[in-house]
Amino acid sequence: AQSVTQPDIHITVSEGASLELRCNYSYGATPYLFWYVQSPGQGLQLLLKYFSGDTLVQGIKGFEAEFKRSQSSFNLRKPSVHWSDAAEYFCAVGTYSGNTPLVFGKGTRLSVIA
Amino acid sequence: SQTIHQWPATLVQPVGSPLSLECTVEGTSNPNLYWYRQAAGRGLQLLFYSVGIGQISSEVPQNLSASRPQDRQFILSSKKLLLSDSGFYLCAWSVRGKGQGVPEAFFGQGTRLTVV
Repeated sequence: AQSVTQPDIHITVSEGASLELRCNYSYGATPYLFWYVQSPGQGLQLLLKYFSGDTLVQGIKGFEAEFKRSQSSFNLRKPSVHWSDAAEYFCAVGTYSGNTPLVFGKGTRLSVIA
Repeated sequence: SQTIHQWPATLVQPVGSPLSLECTVEGTSNPNLYWYRQAAGRGLQLLFYSVGIGQISSEVPQNLSASRPQDRQFILSSKKLLLSDSGFYLCAWSVRGKGQGVPEAFFGQGTRLTVV
């Protein structure tokens, strides 16, 4: 069965600084990977997804993520963080069948300070 | 375009009372449907998922049940709420897989349930 680990529970960065949120997955076959963002009291919004092809994927709001098979990682990055990026971020992994629910990590809470 | 509606947004219920949360999807057919619960610091816990009318898979044995009376309607219920049922409940849908990769899940806005 697949699993996802987000090692960082909470990260604080200064506005304008770069950001990297870590995600490690466990899955025997080719993984299908996602990053979601959740603002307080809201549902989850898809930031980006990786199915195949280019290992560097671009998403909304200036985010990108890089798939590294050798490290079983799919880290999320942003070159310059804005105060509005403060939220909870979830990494998820899925399987090829498409009818198996995504498995989510426990999330990383991002705080942005001035 | 597809939309997902979840209600109510907030709910305060006494212990022992029944629960009914409803989720409907518009603009698509034959979706996969999911109920997740989110407790502080515990991430997203999958409660139930459904790949068709009347087909419910339960991931966690507990005080809750789910039903899918119509193709695009998913209901989360309880006969008697416990304090531990408090949390943020999220409904989601995805396109039924056709062997062409993994469709992403689309989430509703959630229901904040407080059991008192």
